[in-house]
Amino acid sequence: DAGVIQSPRHEVTEMGQEVTLRCKPISGHNSLFWYRQTMMRGLELLIYFNNNVPIDDSGMPEDRFSAKMPNASFSTLKIQPSEPRDSAVYFCASSSPTGLQGLNTEAFFGQGTRLTVV
Amino acid sequence: RKEVEQDPGPFNVPEGATVAFNCTYSNSASQSFFWYRQDCRKEPKLLMSVYSSGNEDGRFTAQLNRASQYISLLIRDSKLSDSATYLCVVNGRDSSYKLIFGSGTRLLVRP
Repeated sequence: DAGVIQSPRHEVTEMGQEVTLRCKPISGHNSLFWYRQTMMRGLELLIYFNNNVPIDDSGMPEDRFSAKMPNASFSTLKIQPSEPRDSAVYFCASSSPTGLQGLNTEAFFGQGTRLTVV
Repeated sequence: RKEVEQDPGPFNVPEGATVAFNCTYSNSASQSFFWYRQDCRKEPKLLMSVYSSGNEDGRFTAQLNRASQYISLLIRDSKLSDSATYLCVVNGRDSSYKLIFGSGTRLLVRP
């Protein structure tokens, strides 16, 4: 398995532009997470999906951020319009609930997208 | 209060030392606990799960204290290659698919 695949690896954009980050989870995993990591705030959960349905988007900073999961093998995180304070590393991770309680086993992370908004 | 809290460190220790990290969590209903390791400019990767009875994997030992709501990670005989950031991760029954990460504890092992 190729693991979680994110694209692009690096993105530099001007303030006000739209940015779209992409993620392909591991086949068979039905939970998908988007995280943002900065030095100041650490790793923050933005949104997670279960069976392609957004379960909790309380971590999405504001209306400029949106995420979709049209099918089990693809998700996007869009920022429109982008601002310099959105500069961070964005990670996608996938996992598969297991056990009687349906709790997750480990989450596997993609290599991240390093976003710089100038 | 953050849901998962860790001492950011850095912990600076010599090779061969024993070092311990603690992590506290706020949701008493949490059911699953993990330690992840993150190297500089890399993605987090699972180091070990934390079981109620405690568990050991080579030089690494994880403990869970539900009454006090903290988990710990002990590293014995530290190696230079152990230098990394260690992230505490918690999820819970009422939000079972939600994985919450602590900000991480940075470990530096010096020769």
